[in-house]
Amino acid sequence: EPEVTQTPSHQVTQMGQEVILRCVPISNHLYFYWYRQILGQKVEFLVSFYNNEISEKSEIFDDQFSVERPDGSNFTLKIRSTKLEDSAMYFCASSERDYGYEQYFGPGTRLTVT
Amino acid sequence: AQTVTQSQPEMSVQEAETVTLSCTYDTSESNYYLFWYKQPPSRQMILVIRQEAYKQQNATENRFSVNFQKAAKSFSLKISDSQLGDTAMYFCAFVASNTGNQFYFGTGTSLTVIP
Repeated sequence: EPEVTQTPSHQVTQMGQEVILRCVPISNHLYFYWYRQILGQKVEFLVSFYNNEISEKSEIFDDQFSVERPDGSNFTLKIRSTKLEDSAMYFCASSERDYGYEQYFGPGTRLTVT
Repeated sequence: AQTVTQSQPEMSVQEAETVTLSCTYDTSESNYYLFWYKQPPSRQMILVIRQEAYKQQNATENRFSVNFQKAAKSFSLKISDSQLGDTAMYFCAFVASNTGNQFYFGTGTSLTVIP
């Protein structure tokens, strides 16, 4: 069965550095998402992406964050200048259809900012 | 604002027994969907079951069923004949028509099936 994959599984970076988290969504899916989960807290929505543009974003997704689908298969999340509070598990997800349908999640990237 | 509450951080059940995980949510919307996701240790979240709010009939998937009480805004998951492979973190999630594709999650319930 097709799966969403994410790389790396764990990323350690220093405060102020840029990081790029990578995801390969399921190939026939059209909608893409990033969520994050700070340790001990809920999984929180960051952004959704469709037709090469952001369709929704949360308050968390400020100017430090950006997303891109550079080559038709990868979907990336960039954090320009990481802060300690960006330490979290980041989940990528994709779905075949819009609102109300299953989102397929990747295994996550654990980002540790030191 | 949409919120999802799972009041049981941890639960355990004997193999072959039945267990119910609770979930409540809050919304002013009438059009929404509810989900239960399962996350086994070190694995990704996978969908267990999905419920459409406009359907009164409770969703079922093999050993998994829900008790959807729309007026009470309650969406519990029942696992029958529990198996060792059911050991996982279970997340309740919600999406409403006014928030597009943005899923709202509960904090999760860690379920352990005891042999």
